[in-house]
Amino acid sequence: DTGVSQDPRHKITKRGQNVTFRCDPISEHNRLYWYRQTLGQGPEFLTYFQNEAQLEKSRLLSDRFSAERPKGSFSTLEIQRTEQGDSAMYLCASSLGVAGNTIYFGEGSWLTVV
Amino acid sequence: KQEVTQIPAALSVPEGENLVLNCSFTDSAIYNLQWFRQDPGKGLTSLLLIQSSQREQTSGRLNASLDKSSGRSTLYIAASQPGDSATYLCAVIGYNQGGKLIFGQGTELSVKP
Repeated sequence: DTGVSQDPRHKITKRGQNVTFRCDPISEHNRLYWYRQTLGQGPEFLTYFQNEAQLEKSRLLSDRFSAERPKGSFSTLEIQRTEQGDSAMYLCASSLGVAGNTIYFGEGSWLTVV
Repeated sequence: KQEVTQIPAALSVPEGENLVLNCSFTDSAIYNLQWFRQDPGKGLTSLLLIQSSQREQTSGRLNASLDKSSGRSTLYIAASQPGDSATYLCAVIGYNQGGKLIFGQGTELSVKP
């Protein structure tokens, strides 16, 4: 257990529904990252926050995706109008301080869109 | 744009064998390189982190090396065990990447008893 927790661990949803994932980082970590991983591939960067500021968003993050980190603590990733191509594992990670410190990952949230 | 490549994509070895996993990256301006382990359906566990100023890091039976100038890293696993079976991922944080990790596609390792 790295200390980064994600909820829910598994979600099955019908195409067109909205889903939301939550991530609680290690308590003193100011940086929080979201990644997406499909079978047989490495994780792909989606977005990251430093405290409550969203500093970068990948082109993978379409208009249907939104992430927030109110008050610089937990974060949510919402996917609106889900599509089958959104089926993947969504990983959250956190780190302390500046770039270059160890990044710790949670167990991930599996999404299956049927 | 940073690209990370891992070779081979899959590897099967008998128990007890020593093995090497390879990772290469295109932009040598990095803060560090991390090796992760991922069990099926699980998150990522950090194994070793090598800062750009370091040449290698060791943890138990694992040794990771870094040659920044050539854009290469290796993960050496000594005396492999069936419990080492997992996917191994390398990732770099570069000066031009805003602090995020860029991953390779992983090497799936199977250690046969």
